[in-house]
Amino acid sequence: EVQLLESGGGLVQPGGSLRLSCAASGFTFSNYAMTWVRQAPGKGLEWVSAISESGSSTYYADSVKGRFTISRDNSKNTMFLQMSSLGVEDTAVYYCVKETVVRGFIKYFDPWGQGTLVTVSS
Amino acid sequence: SYVLTQPPSVSVAPGETARITCGGNNIGTKPVHWYQQKPGQAPVVVIYYDSDRPSGIPERLSGSKSGNTATLTISRVEAGDEADYSCQVWDSSSHWVFGGGTKLTVL
Repeated sequence: EVQLLESGGGLVQPGGSLRLSCAASGFTFSNYAMTWVRQAPGKGLEWVSAISESGSSTYYADSVKGRFTISRDNSKNTMFLQMSSLGVEDTAVYYCVKETVVRGFIKYFDPWGQGTLVTVSS
Repeated sequence: SYVLTQPPSVSVAPGETARITCGGNNIGTKPVHWYQQKPGQAPVVVIYYDSDRPSGIPERLSGSKSGNTATLTISRVEAGDEADYSCQVWDSSSHWVFGGGTKLTVL
């Protein structure tokens, strides 16, 4: 069974930093691109960042570019999201997601972890 | 940046058909995926590549596209279908894009 377990969320002051982790199991982690998606309280889903299978390619939403860094350690089946210069607008549940590929080119998000809450507040 | 537009809410009586739309420029050229999210839970894919259903998703849920609109149709709606539904596409300029989400209320 594929499992994704996020950790590292918590309360942080504006301007602070936080590092999220996502521990993966049940599949060959190094064969799949991975993604972070967040959801602010009462709001919709927002894609945050993605990383290729090897980690050589990374992608960011404009809202976090220059502040967040995505990475992965395939030897430990773990993905990370280093967040800095956090603002109240970054308050959200952060989900770790596996990019599933079908028919060789269609990608979608499955499964999702249960999420970890990041609260930015003074 | 690419934008997907969904109605904030849709209400339907049990047994009726719910249709949730997702509008976007040239959406006809992009594979559309749909996610269901129940309160306090993580999203789950219910439709991928416009109209394909993952295993375990009932046939009552179906997807379609016409023009600049994708539609998630839920037939014979049940109380358990009450959830937020979000559409998603990949766009070359914006990478992954979600619609704002639609809250389905079963009356």
